[in-house]
Amino acid sequence: DAGVIQSPRHEVTEMGQEVTLRCKPISGHNSLFWYRQTMMRGLELLIYFNNNVPIDDSGMPEDRFSAKMPNASFSTLKIQPSEPRDSAVYFCASSSERTGLTEAFFGQGTRLTVV
Amino acid sequence: GIQVEQSPPDLILQEGANSTLRCNFSDSVNNLQWFHQNPWGQLINLFYIPSGTKQNGRLSATTVATERYSLLYISSSQTTDSGVYFCAVGARWGKLQFGAGTQVVVTP
Repeated sequence: DAGVIQSPRHEVTEMGQEVTLRCKPISGHNSLFWYRQTMMRGLELLIYFNNNVPIDDSGMPEDRFSAKMPNASFSTLKIQPSEPRDSAVYFCASSSERTGLTEAFFGQGTRLTVV
Repeated sequence: GIQVEQSPPDLILQEGANSTLRCNFSDSVNNLQWFHQNPWGQLINLFYIPSGTKQNGRLSATTVATERYSLLYISSSQTTDSGVYFCAVGARWGKLQFGAGTQVVVTP
């Protein structure tokens, strides 16, 4: 399996622009997570989906952030408008609830810089 | 939410040395994972270990769920072991709460 695939790997954008991050989970996994990593806050969960349905979005910082999962093989995290404080590494992860083993696997991350 | 504490925060080792990293958590969990974040930022799965003991090469891990802690052992450390080691725990849905990590530097 190719693992969790994220794109782009790096994104530099100007403040106020819209940013869309993309994720393809591992085939067969039915849970998907978006995490953000910063020096100040470490790794924090933004939102997670189970069977394409958002279960908990309490970690989403504010209304500028939105996430969708239109099907089992694709998810997006959108920031509109972006701000310099959104600069961070964004990770997508997936796991399978069906087997009872909930091991999560992470993508390589998207390093976002907002200038 | 579940609190996760890792110790020590930093560790400097000479190549060949052994070390133990600790993870304490505040509540019952059904998922505990150890990750290595390499210098390129990748999060590498080391162990999925909600309980018991596992070994993989020079690394091993033990989780005592009833006492709410887990240990990661690194033996005969190598420079490639450098990076940040994270413990992450979850109560359900695979949702993970991460500790702050242990920064490990292995010197030649």
